[in-house]
Amino acid sequence: SAVISQKPSRDICQRGTSLTIQCQVDSQVTMMFWYRQQPGQSLTLIATANQGSEATYESGFVIDKFPISRPNLTFSTLTVSNMSPEDSSIYLCSVGRDGKLGNTIYFGEGSWLTVV
Amino acid sequence: AQTVTQSQPEMSVQEAETVTLSCTYDTSENNYYLFWYKQPPSRQMILVIRQEAYKQQNATENRFSVNFQKAAKSFSLKISDSQLGDTAMYFCAFMTRYGGSQGNLIFGKGTKLSVKP
Repeated sequence: SAVISQKPSRDICQRGTSLTIQCQVDSQVTMMFWYRQQPGQSLTLIATANQGSEATYESGFVIDKFPISRPNLTFSTLTVSNMSPEDSSIYLCSVGRDGKLGNTIYFGEGSWLTVV
Repeated sequence: AQTVTQSQPEMSVQEAETVTLSCTYDTSENNYYLFWYKQPPSRQMILVIRQEAYKQQNATENRFSVNFQKAAKSFSLKISDSQLGDTAMYFCAFMTRYGGSQGNLIFGKGTKLSVKP
């Protein structure tokens, strides 16, 4: 498996502000991803965090709103910019790892943001 | 585009009994992965079980097993000897095996399972 730490675990944010979420993995991984889970909903991929290059964003998500950094193979950040109440969600970092079972995706504990 | 459907929004089971959660998916690909994740009230996504599409043998992990029917595009989860700690939201997910979409999990809407004492 993988040990994935996210900070903050929970925060209450003011409308119009930005917040950066950190994701730290216990060992080097090639693939890191950011997902969003809106209240009562399933998970949706925001972007793939690429080491050494720009993140790859999914349809409906843009870099200006969700800038991502990936400075090395164990760390990534996701910023939620100019927040509105619609951004209230759980944001989850995940990694792909090849183990004895092959490629598997593991998740961090999530960062639960409430925008007021 | 791939889709994942979980037709049971909520289910309940008595402690120690067996329950089966349904999942169907749609894809034109031949090689892919399927997963079941558990999300308890703590909100962390916990991997329950994983299946590779090219393997005919159904995956098992202790009390958890799957019934993978590739032709029918069905991937149900059976939980045996249900325990109170199994109470959670369960998500079925699909992922392609190759190419740029690897790592893009497509999730179903989830099934809320309650285990009753």
